Amino acid sequence: EAQVTQNPRYLITVTGKKLTVTCSQNMNHEYMSWYRQDPGLGLRQIYYSMNVEVTDKGDVPEGYKVSRKEKRNFPLILESPSPNQTSLYFCASRKAGTGITFFGQGTRLTVV
Amino acid sequence: KNQVEQSPQSLIILEGKNCTLQCNYTVSPFSNLRWYKQDTGRGPVSLTIMTFSENTKSNGRYTATLDADTKQSSLHITASQLSDSASYICVVVGGSGTYKYIFGTGTRLKVLA
Repeated sequence: EAQVTQNPRYLITVTGKKLTVTCSQNMNHEYMSWYRQDPGLGLRQIYYSMNVEVTDKGDVPEGYKVSRKEKRNFPLILESPSPNQTSLYFCASRKAGTGITFFGQGTRLTVV
Repeated sequence: KNQVEQSPQSLIILEGKNCTLQCNYTVSPFSNLRWYKQDTGRGPVSLTIMTFSENTKSNGRYTATLDADTKQSSLHITASQLSDSASYICVVVGGSGTYKYIFGTGTRLKVLA
C-alpha cells in the first residue's frame, strides 16, 4: 500500500531535549516536505527536499533541521525544542512535478 | 501577497443535505488548485486537482469548480453523509520559483444525523 509513515504519532518532551521525527515513503517520490499545523492557521511548510541530498527552507524553518540521505526517508530534527514548537506535524511526498501529494498521519508534539 | 481564503470557517448541516464551500485566492502565477479532506487528527487526503483550463471536476459526491478569471473555487458536496464530517482545505499551487503550496485555513464541516 502506498503510504507516508511518520513516527511517533504522539510525543511529549521537555524544553531543550533533542528529538527526531521520522518520515518514510514507499512510492519512490522525489519530493518530500514537512509541515506544521496550528489552530487557525493553514499548514505551513518547514523544510522540503527535491531529491536525495537536496534540501531547502520553507516558510518556517527556524529551530528545525532535516536530512535526505536516502530517497525514502526525510527525518525532522529539533535540536533544542521549545514550547512554541508544540504543534501537529505532517510529512508529505509526491513525484517531481505537480502530482498528488500524499500526507502522513501526523505527529502531535507537545514541548513542556 | 499570495493568499488563499476559505469560507465559511465552519458549517453544520443535516445528513442528506448538500453544501458548498468557497475558496478565493490571490496566488500568482497560478499552476493548479487542490481540495483536500482532513479528518480530525489525520493527514489531508487529496480530493481533486484542477488546472487552469478545467472548470469542473468530480470525485464521487464531491464536485469542485474553478473560475480562473475571478480566482474562485468551490467544493460542492451532494447528499452529505456522517463520514463527510471533516475539515476541507483548499490549496493553490503556484507563486514564483518552484511550485509552492499555499494552504487555506480550511472549512470545518459537521454533518449531523
